[in-house]
Amino acid sequence: IVLTQSPGTLSLSPGERATLSCRASQSVSSSYLAWYQQKPGQAPRLLIYGASSRATGIPDRFSGSGSGTDFTLTISRLEPEDFAVYYCQQYGSSSITFGQGTRLEIK
Amino acid sequence: QVHLVESGGGLVEPGGSLRLSCAASGFTFSDYYMSWIRQAPGKGLEWVSYISRGGHTINYADSVKGRFTISRDNAKNSLYLQMNSLRAEDTAMYYCARPVEMATGHDAFDIWGQGTTVTVSS
Repeated sequence: IVLTQSPGTLSLSPGERATLSCRASQSVSSSYLAWYQQKPGQAPRLLIYGASSRATGIPDRFSGSGSGTDFTLTISRLEPEDFAVYYCQQYGSSSITFGQGTRLEIK
Repeated sequence: QVHLVESGGGLVEPGGSLRLSCAASGFTFSDYYMSWIRQAPGKGLEWVSYISRGGHTINYADSVKGRFTISRDNAKNSLYLQMNSLRAEDTAMYYCARPVEMATGHDAFDIWGQGTTVTVSS
């Protein structure tokens, strides 16, 4: 399953709302979709799994939604530490795949 | 505290071999499937392989099938990746990762190591 993330880069200011999209080439079974945040020089950090469940310790300004082929990560009010690269991942097929990433940068 | 620490990366010539290790601590290693995931410089993430708790179920990405071998030693709380016939396109940071749920390799990953760098170049 190929995951396509959009936009490639998103320029926003702290306090604004961010909406990141992940579209799958075929339906992701049982909403087996996750979102990660990665900062330079660091390993990815799990934010959301099962399309909408927040991982341990993740602030509630992060939320995930969607099903089938269209999924969204929303950050309700951007904090300075939220500017990073975000990846989606599907784990519903025999081969696990990741999207190409969305870079969230400070405007 | 849950930790994964990778080691064994380095510079290797095309066609060469390398063995990566991942040492786990802070959780019952034998209870979890484990995976390797890689990231080429400046690129996105690519899942490489997973192994079941007892080592009997293994899955590989097509890009490494037949060249890489995943294994584990539960007595040593360690995960391994034997990489043979290395190519330039295998150059990447290699991470070991633990899934959210113990009993599946098809999962999100909530625990990651810091990674070990593999460079394939002459």
